[in-house]
Amino acid sequence: SAVISQKPSRDICQRGTSLTIQCQVDSQVTMMFWYRQQPGQSLTLIATANQGSEATYESGFVIDKFPISRPNLTFSTLTVSNMSPEDSSIYLCSVPHGGAYNEQFFGPGTRLTVL
Amino acid sequence: LAKTTQPISMDSYEGQEVNITCSHNNIATNDYITWYQQFPSQGPRFIIQGYKTKVTNEVASLFIPADRKSSTLSLPRVSLSDTAVYYCLVGDGSFKTIFGAGTRLFVKA
Repeated sequence: SAVISQKPSRDICQRGTSLTIQCQVDSQVTMMFWYRQQPGQSLTLIATANQGSEATYESGFVIDKFPISRPNLTFSTLTVSNMSPEDSSIYLCSVPHGGAYNEQFFGPGTRLTVL
Repeated sequence: LAKTTQPISMDSYEGQEVNITCSHNNIATNDYITWYQQFPSQGPRFIIQGYKTKVTNEVASLFIPADRKSSTLSLPRVSLSDTAVYYCLVGDGSFKTIFGAGTRLFVKA
């Protein structure tokens, strides 16, 4: 199993500002994923971050709004830029587990509130 | 990626067996069926995965009929701590997983 930590655990931000969320894994992994979970909703995949290459974004998500860094095999950041209240969500990172297909370990999430 | 359909919510009492059924009519040959559990303020946690027939682990059982167009997650003798959202996912291991709406299970004393 993998142990994943995220910082900050929660934050309250003003509209128009940006927040960078950190994701740290206790083992080296090639792929990391970033998800968004809006209040009371399911999870939506934002992007896949592979070390050594640019992140791959899902439909509806763009790099200018959600820039991602992946400087090494244990760390990634997601920035939520020029925030609006609609960005209020929980943001989660995850890494795949080598055992089963589609098995992922998730971090605890970062709860973001934009005023 | 196959879309999944689950009941929005279910209620149960402690000690009962709970069965949550997921419909995935467009499942592909290479797809596996995976279930996750999510508690409030936590990330989802992998519960069980299967391809066909029955899979059982220490937490749950997963029943998959021969046509694989549906699956049933069975939780034996639930407790209050099993109150959570349960997600059914279908995918081929490419990790481009799509989480459906999930089923909110509420276990009452």
